[in-house]
Amino acid sequence: SQQGEEDPQALSIQEGENATMNCSYKTSINNLQWYRQNSGRGLVHLILIRSNEREKHSGRLRVTLDTSKKSSSLLITASRAADTASYFCAPLYNNNDMRFGAGTRLTVKP
Amino acid sequence: ETGVTQSPTHLIKTRGQQVTLRCSSQSGHNTVSWYQQALGQGPQFIFQYYREEENGRGNFPPRFSGLQFPNYSSELNVNALELDDSALYLCASSLVGGPGYTFGSGTRLTVV
Repeated sequence: SQQGEEDPQALSIQEGENATMNCSYKTSINNLQWYRQNSGRGLVHLILIRSNEREKHSGRLRVTLDTSKKSSSLLITASRAADTASYFCAPLYNNNDMRFGAGTRLTVKP
Repeated sequence: ETGVTQSPTHLIKTRGQQVTLRCSSQSGHNTVSWYQQALGQGPQFIFQYYREEENGRGNFPPRFSGLQFPNYSSELNVNALELDDSALYLCASSLVGGPGYTFGSGTRLTVV
């Protein structure tokens, strides 16, 4: 399968805590992207990390990529209730189409 | 930057009917992808169009077809609707090799 697989399926934390989500994939990639989806709406692009990068930051987001383990992680620091959403990773392969796993459903309790 | 617009937002059809969903890509984007998302699931890739040609297809039957127009707008057509086709249909546009996909808010299709 070309899709990413997110882990855990669900995560519940208190506001202010950090949230870590993981993604695994099967074959070599060009880049890997993370997206957020609020309930029943379109996906929002969060961050892209290229295959030759190991870590990338964007505001409270930190993404790592380990191509030897074919895995990535998304860290959200100092979480807020507004971060409650589903998070998807999308490995991008040579054919440029993006495939998604089932996602991680994050709940941040105020 | 106009974003990606999908129409209609909601639609109810009867089993066996045909439906056309529409998408206007973000300005400057030449690639459009369509996804089907069932409740509680991740988006499933239907197909991608680049320069009006199909550029990749997921595991969907031929009754799912598409078009991309010269202005990079797009249509998703589904024939002989089945109850399991009930889902949120998402359109996403991008530049080939670009930094990310821009998604529309989706069309919620209910088949009864």
